Amino acid sequence: AQKVTQAQTEISVVEKEDVTLDCVYETRDTTYYLFWYKQPPSGELVFLIRRNSFDEQNEISGRYSWNFQKSTSSFNFTITASQVVDSAVYFCALREYGNKLVFGAGTILRVKS
Amino acid sequence: EAGVAQSPRYKIIEKRQSVAFWCNPISGHATLYWYQQILGQGPKLLIQFQNNGVVDDSQLPKDRFSAERLKGVDSTLKIQPAKLEDSAVYLCASSLDPGRAEAFFGQGTRLTVV
Repeated sequence: AQKVTQAQTEISVVEKEDVTLDCVYETRDTTYYLFWYKQPPSGELVFLIRRNSFDEQNEISGRYSWNFQKSTSSFNFTITASQVVDSAVYFCALREYGNKLVFGAGTILRVKS
Repeated sequence: EAGVAQSPRYKIIEKRQSVAFWCNPISGHATLYWYQQILGQGPKLLIQFQNNGVVDDSQLPKDRFSAERLKGVDSTLKIQPAKLEDSAVYLCASSLDPGRAEAFFGQGTRLTVV
């Protein structure tokens, strides 16, 4: 069965600090997809990134970067030079090919000015 | 491109009443999902449609919840009768395909059962 664990319930940082959100997943499939979503106070889940199991290259998009390591079943998300607008709940999610999208419990990120 | 539309945004009902939520997915998206998100938790899939057929409803409490997808486009989710524990945000999402594509979410309907 597929499972996603986000061990950090809540993280507080001061603006301009770097912060890493952890995600550990479990799956028996060899083909699967990993996702990160952001949920700001407005409530809508905003898609950030998708990664497939065959592509372990790290990805950078502006201040966001993602580190995918199959050896440790982790897909961590780093925000560099955090800003107040980054305050939100962040969800990691896993989809085995053809299966449902399963979410972790989320990490609340609070960025203080 | 228009996103996923949901209505209403908020709903307050008394227990044992019924309620219905509506969702219009992104045009061309064959897969539609309804998720339940209880405060402080991650979204949990209730039901997944592929066009107008049900793919997965294993976590849908079928004694009180029902859903349909009319003509493979719009969808409605109904709760009858509602219980206090149904208080949650109900999120609708859609994707191009069920296999690997990312899902795009609407703003959700916040249901409070009193």
